[in-house]
Amino acid sequence: EAQVTQNPRYLITVTGKKLTVTCSQNMNHEYMSWYRQDPGLGLRQIYYSMNVEVTDKGDVPEGYKVSRKEKRNFPLILESPSPNQTSLYFCASWGGASSGELFFGEGSRLTVL
Amino acid sequence: ILNVEQSPQSLHVQEGDSTNFTCSFPSSNFYALHWYRWETAKSPEALFVMTLNGDEKKKGRISATLNTKEGYSYLYIKGSQPEDSATYLCASLRGNQFYFGTGTSLTVIP
Repeated sequence: EAQVTQNPRYLITVTGKKLTVTCSQNMNHEYMSWYRQDPGLGLRQIYYSMNVEVTDKGDVPEGYKVSRKEKRNFPLILESPSPNQTSLYFCASWGGASSGELFFGEGSRLTVL
Repeated sequence: ILNVEQSPQSLHVQEGDSTNFTCSFPSSNFYALHWYRWETAKSPEALFVMTLNGDEKKKGRISATLNTKEGYSYLYIKGSQPEDSATYLCASLRGNQFYFGTGTSLTVIP
């Protein structure tokens, strides 16, 4: 079954405590991306990766880091979380024009106190 | 930032009514337009991927059209059912980035 898996699904943390949200896909997709969802703002792209060791900033990359050491995994790292990073985060993978659609993970709801 | 706009923001319809929403996007450098259905506490799921001007796609009671020259897409739901209640997102693919609208929240009243 095609799947994008994110962990953790829910997390409450405090300002400044580094955290990582993992994302893994089993479809051998080259393209992976992270989004944040905030009320009234839609899904905004944080970072994306076209392939292993290739990452690019999206529209809201400040305060985030990513890495793509292997094709299936694309972790999102918050080195020093702040309250304005409280949000719902989605990871997605895409097989390119031939496969068509984005496949989303189930979302990670992060609260930074 | 590429502006993708959706209207209306929210919609309440009676069961059995037909309805439609609009997605507007800049027409320059267009590559593809995606529609997703997003239920609360779940992840967005793809409805349609459209690339060609004049494309029309259909899945059951839901259909979509695409006009790349004027930069809009319509999503139609015929005979709405309570299970159609969800947020409908559109996304424009430009270069290597997807740009999402803020969605149309549909509530179908039994």
